[in-house]
Amino acid sequence: AQRVTQPEKLLSVFKGAPVELKCNYSYSGSPELFWYVQYSRQRLQLLLRHISRESIKGFTADLNKGETSFHLKKPFAQEEDSAMYYCALSGRGGGSEKLVFGKGTKLTVNP
Amino acid sequence: DTAVSQTPKYLVTQMGNDKSIKCEQNLGHDTMYWYKQDSKKFLKIMFSYNNKELIINETVPNRFSPKSPDKAHLNLHINSLELGDSAVYFCASRDRGTGELFFGEGSRLTVL
Repeated sequence: AQRVTQPEKLLSVFKGAPVELKCNYSYSGSPELFWYVQYSRQRLQLLLRHISRESIKGFTADLNKGETSFHLKKPFAQEEDSAMYYCALSGRGGGSEKLVFGKGTKLTVNP
Repeated sequence: DTAVSQTPKYLVTQMGNDKSIKCEQNLGHDTMYWYKQDSKKFLKIMFSYNNKELIINETVPNRFSPKSPDKAHLNLHINSLELGDSAVYFCASRDRGTGELFFGEGSRLTVL
């Protein structure tokens, strides 16, 4: 079974402070991990995925298979980063089409 | 050009009524989904269709019936609406190559 855990429901930081949103997963096969973001009253959109290993809007995330984690990090938070962040997991290959989301973390960046 | 579009955006109705939400994608993707986002912002997968075939059904009550007339459309019909059905329903389609989901803007359903 696929499971994604985001332990923090709410996270509040000050502008310019580092931010880390935690994500742990459980999956017996080879996982694909994603971070999606939902700004206020907007649709969900992909922020980044572990396969591409890219940095988007200053965010990075590294897949740690030993710790089964995919934490999202940014060294200096900006007010416009305030949003809901969802970690998501999909099985790789084998025709797996199911993308399971964590419960989300609401990030608030204060001025 | 909106990639994934849902109608209606807002729906307010009485308990016991039947309602439908429509979804269309112009991305040429084979796979489409319905997700439910509740008041706590939890996102839960409901259904997935691949090329008009149902491939995922996540123990959703029988009152919910998805229909895919073609691979660009996935509609959701809900019978006998209950208070607990109040939520935002998101449609999405998936890029098979990258695995990325493209979401619609959501349809906010309020059952009174």
